[in-house]
Amino acid sequence: AQRVTQPEKLLSVFKGAPVELKCNYSYSGSPELFWYVQYSRQRLQLLLRHISRESIKGFTADLNKGETSFHLKKPFAQEEDSAMYYCALAGHSGGYQKVTFGTGTKLQVIP
Amino acid sequence: DGGITQSPKYLFRKEGQNVTLSCEQNLNHDAMYWYRQDPGQGLRLIYYSQIVNDFQKGDIAEGYSVSREKKESFPLTVTSAQKNPTAFYLCASSIPRAFTGESPLHFGNGTRLTVT
Repeated sequence: AQRVTQPEKLLSVFKGAPVELKCNYSYSGSPELFWYVQYSRQRLQLLLRHISRESIKGFTADLNKGETSFHLKKPFAQEEDSAMYYCALAGHSGGYQKVTFGTGTKLQVIP
Repeated sequence: DGGITQSPKYLFRKEGQNVTLSCEQNLNHDAMYWYRQDPGQGLRLIYYSQIVNDFQKGDIAEGYSVSREKKESFPLTVTSAQKNPTAFYLCASSIPRAFTGESPLHFGNGTRLTVT
């Protein structure tokens, strides 16, 4: 079984403050992890993926297999970062790829 | 705004009626997914399909059915057996890269179903 946990439903930070959105996972194999973002009135879209080790819009996320975590971080929050963020895990079972999402964290950046 | 198209955007049905939600993609993706999005519960997987004529139950498949007769299309039927059908439904597709690489999902705009 695969599971993704996002413990915070809402995270409020002031503009310019650091941001960390937590994500923990449970999966017996080698996971593929992603962060997706949903801005107001827009469709859900990919923000970043662990395999690329990239920084998108100033966000980074490091896979920590020991802690089974994939926290999303940004050093200085911007107002335009306010959105709903979902952590997702792509697992493989019997030749099928199954993608499981966490419950999401709403990030609110206060001006 | 191509890619994945879900229709209609809003759908209203009476309790006891089956209803089918449309999902079409022109991305040539093999894999397609249906999720249900409820406040506080995130996205929950209903059904997914890797290839034509094959699909798997997700975590909350009860009361739903799907078909995958064409690569481009993955319609979802919400049956009268679904106890709480009012929700926002999202369709997604991807190129599954079995066991290697990344395989991000591309989402549609969703269909909001209201059953009264």
